[in-house]
Amino acid sequence: SQKIEQNSEALNIQEGKTATLTCNYTNYSPAYLQWYRQDPGRGPVFLLLIRENEKEKRKERLKVTFDTTLKQSLFHITASQPADSATYLCALDHVDSNYQLIWGAGTKLIIKP
Amino acid sequence: DAGITQSPRHKVTETGTPVTLRCHQTENHRYMYWYRQDPGHGLRLIHYSYGVKDTDKGEVSDGYSVSRSKTEDFLLTLESATSSQTSVYFCAISESGAEYGYTFGSGTRLTVV
Repeated sequence: SQKIEQNSEALNIQEGKTATLTCNYTNYSPAYLQWYRQDPGRGPVFLLLIRENEKEKRKERLKVTFDTTLKQSLFHITASQPADSATYLCALDHVDSNYQLIWGAGTKLIIKP
Repeated sequence: DAGITQSPRHKVTETGTPVTLRCHQTENHRYMYWYRQDPGHGLRLIHYSYGVKDTDKGEVSDGYSVSRSKTEDFLLTLESATSSQTSVYFCAISESGAEYGYTFGSGTRLTVV
């Protein structure tokens, strides 16, 4: 079956360290992979998009990698801050769904002061 | 969430009653989406629209219908609400499909009793 997997356990990171979140997928050949941030009671907020022919994308303290051989994307937050605490979602397009996004369930990130 | 609003924010309804949720955008984006979000699941697509009067089903469309008579409004109707439709519903917009990030509304928390 087709799956997108994100670590369901919360990730606890000390402030100032780099947080790394993982998104694994099977049976897809996505053209794009996206990362979103979601705070409690709010809708997801778009952060970054990476294309299949891109290995890495950066935006300020954020970095996303995309390994189509491993079928994995890593999302890094450097110099993490308590304000980075949120749930982070990955999503990818899927040709069998008319290129609509398929979503992971998200990983909750907690940055401790 | 600038440019996209959902109403109502909260609703409690009884089993068997029809319910309509509204999504309004001011961005003039072509694509509009309705998702539901449940604990332990990724966002699941209910229906989407790629233009006025142009809509299509997502992966969990049973029991839901949509209408888009104007670019700015996308309505989601639960024909006869069931307890399994208790969820948080999000509307999203995008300029050009999955190739770009989505902008989400703040969500509607629907409880069917």
